[in-house]
Amino acid sequence: AAGVIQSPRHLIKEKRETATLKCYPIPRHDTVYWYQQGPGQDPQFLISFYEKMQSDKGSIPDRFSAQQFSDYHSELNMSSLELGDSALYFCASSFPSGGSTDTQYFGPGTRLTVL
Amino acid sequence: AQTVTQSQPEMSVQEAETVTLSCTYDTSESDYYLFWYKQPPSRQMILVIRQEAYKQQNATENRFSVNFQKAAKSFSLKISDSQLGDAAMYFCAYRSASNAGNMLTFGGGTRLMVKP
Repeated sequence: AAGVIQSPRHLIKEKRETATLKCYPIPRHDTVYWYQQGPGQDPQFLISFYEKMQSDKGSIPDRFSAQQFSDYHSELNMSSLELGDSALYFCASSFPSGGSTDTQYFGPGTRLTVL
Repeated sequence: AQTVTQSQPEMSVQEAETVTLSCTYDTSESDYYLFWYKQPPSRQMILVIRQEAYKQQNATENRFSVNFQKAAKSFSLKISDSQLGDAAMYFCAYRSASNAGNMLTFGGGTRLMVKP
């Protein structure tokens, strides 16, 4: 079965640089979620999109922005990178019809290292 | 805001034995979903099992089952016949069933070690 695709899988950036993370949801899934997992921590919700509109916002820094495109893929843009942004960034997707299909499936994550 | 607590940072089990991981949560909502996710060393987040709060019957997926106690706000995961491949970090997660707040709130995780 098709899974959530994230690219790149690994990314190394310098402080103050910009990074763009991409997420391709499972086909027919129209909701995308972004989570950040720091070392030794649980995933923290950043932001989500449903039908190309932002649906929820969590602890996402103002330096970060995201959007969902017409093909339902999503991009997380991170500017003025800081050392503390080094983390594993997960994208998850779901089909929000309720019931057993309303489950989030995670991609493999993008490991961002800021030097 | 909802909170999820996993009080066991680490657990150990002998291969083929049974182990139970604990999870408690705090919410004022009556309708919600609970999940257990597994994160092996690859760091991939893998769904293990899900439970709807309105269902009294405990969910089961092969060797994995839950003990859902809604009044006590407890949601433990039982792994039977533990295998070496079960070694991983396990996260309990809560999701509201309302239209807003569809994000997952995770507990701090329990690292499960399986001894051969």
